[in-house]
Amino acid sequence: QKEVEQNSGPLSVPEGAIASLNCTYSDRGSQSFFWYRQYSGKSPELIMFIYSNGDKEDGRFTAQLNKASQYVSLLIRDSQPSDSATYLCAAHQTNDYKLSFGAGTTVTVRA
Amino acid sequence: DADVTQTPRNRITKTGKRIMLECSQTKGHDRMYWYRQDPGLGLRLIYYSFDVKDINKGEISDGYSVSRQAQAKFSLSLESAIPNQTALYFCATSDPHGVWGYTFGSGTRLTIV
Repeated sequence: QKEVEQNSGPLSVPEGAIASLNCTYSDRGSQSFFWYRQYSGKSPELIMFIYSNGDKEDGRFTAQLNKASQYVSLLIRDSQPSDSATYLCAAHQTNDYKLSFGAGTTVTVRA
Repeated sequence: DADVTQTPRNRITKTGKRIMLECSQTKGHDRMYWYRQDPGLGLRLIYYSFDVKDINKGEISDGYSVSRQAQAKFSLSLESAIPNQTALYFCATSDPHGVWGYTFGSGTRLTIV
């Protein structure tokens, strides 16, 4: 079992809709969680991080964390074509603070 | 200037050649990492270093070696390149507890023919 699993996608949403990305993790002691956006051929870019249970909002992005269920999600509201990218979920390993990455979910926003 | 700089950006080389990918960072962080990315497989950790004297193998270190020349510099070598090492390679750095996640370099696209 991979340490971080993401719904494989690809996910296609119409412009203006909500894109919902899901992630589960196996290390119950993980404390910090990150969402990266990666455009094709480019490097991952940090867009959200969350440490506490509940929701964290930043502009059109909302990260949600449920430690009891070992579940992290990212909502993208009012999706734009520029949101078309691969989104990587990452979780801290408790023993040494390295990040474990999921394989990514590719999102396509169609106009 | 970028916080994490990788050179070269693109490289095509022949099977059996030795190649070095270089990474330097201006974040002042001790921790540095090398990842490779293949379609559908996500980011896989090759080597990581928590300080100049602490270097560790990641999940796919076979066929690779690293050198941490200074706090700011971490290079990755392919001793004898093979075609299945064709991939996108990223260097990254982080603070000791990764509070702010990783900062990635812009990547090296390596093709082995």
